[in-house]
Amino acid sequence: RKEVEQDPGPFNVPEGATVAFNCTYSNSASQSFFWYRQDCRKEPKLLMSVYSSGNEDGRFTAQLNRASQYISLLIRDSKLSDSATYLCVVNGGTGGFKTIFGAGTRLFVKA
Amino acid sequence: NAGVTQTPKFRVLKTGQSMTLLCAQDMNHEYMYWYRQDPGMGLRLIHYSVGEGTTAKGEVPDGYNVSRLKKQNFLLGLESAAPSQTSVYFCASSTRGYNEQFFGPGTRLTVL
Repeated sequence: RKEVEQDPGPFNVPEGATVAFNCTYSNSASQSFFWYRQDCRKEPKLLMSVYSSGNEDGRFTAQLNRASQYISLLIRDSKLSDSATYLCVVNGGTGGFKTIFGAGTRLFVKA
Repeated sequence: NAGVTQTPKFRVLKTGQSMTLLCAQDMNHEYMYWYRQDPGMGLRLIHYSVGEGTTAKGEVPDGYNVSRLKKQNFLLGLESAAPSQTSVYFCASSTRGYNEQFFGPGTRLTVL
């Protein structure tokens, strides 16, 4: 089992739709969590941090569920420009320094 | 500020050749990282550094060496390149471990 797992997609949604991604992790001692966005042939860029109390930034909401060991990303009112790959990152845990990226979920938003 | 820069952007090597990838950051970050990204897989940590003069192994360190002689630079070396090392290599930095990482634009390496 991978330490961090994401549904690779692709998710194909129309403009204006709401779409949600989940990312599960196996190390219950993990300490910090992030969502990154990666455009084709570009570097990952931070989208938002993830907290147990939730984190909202405009159309984007991220949530951490420690009991079930997953993080989620909700995108409301999808835009064409949201088309990208979304990577979750899980840091920390037992067994030394760890920073684990998920393989990413591809999103296509269509007109 | 330039942020994180990487050189070169592209490189083609023959099996057995050596090369060094350079990463530089101007944000005064303590932590620096080298990752490789392959299709269908997440970024995998090769080596990292928690400060000037320190290096440590990540998830996939075999076949690579690193050095951090200056705080702003982190070098990744391939002593004898193999086709399995064909990948996109990203460098990143952060203020501390487990904080937000800032990435360079990547180096596309092909080993024939």
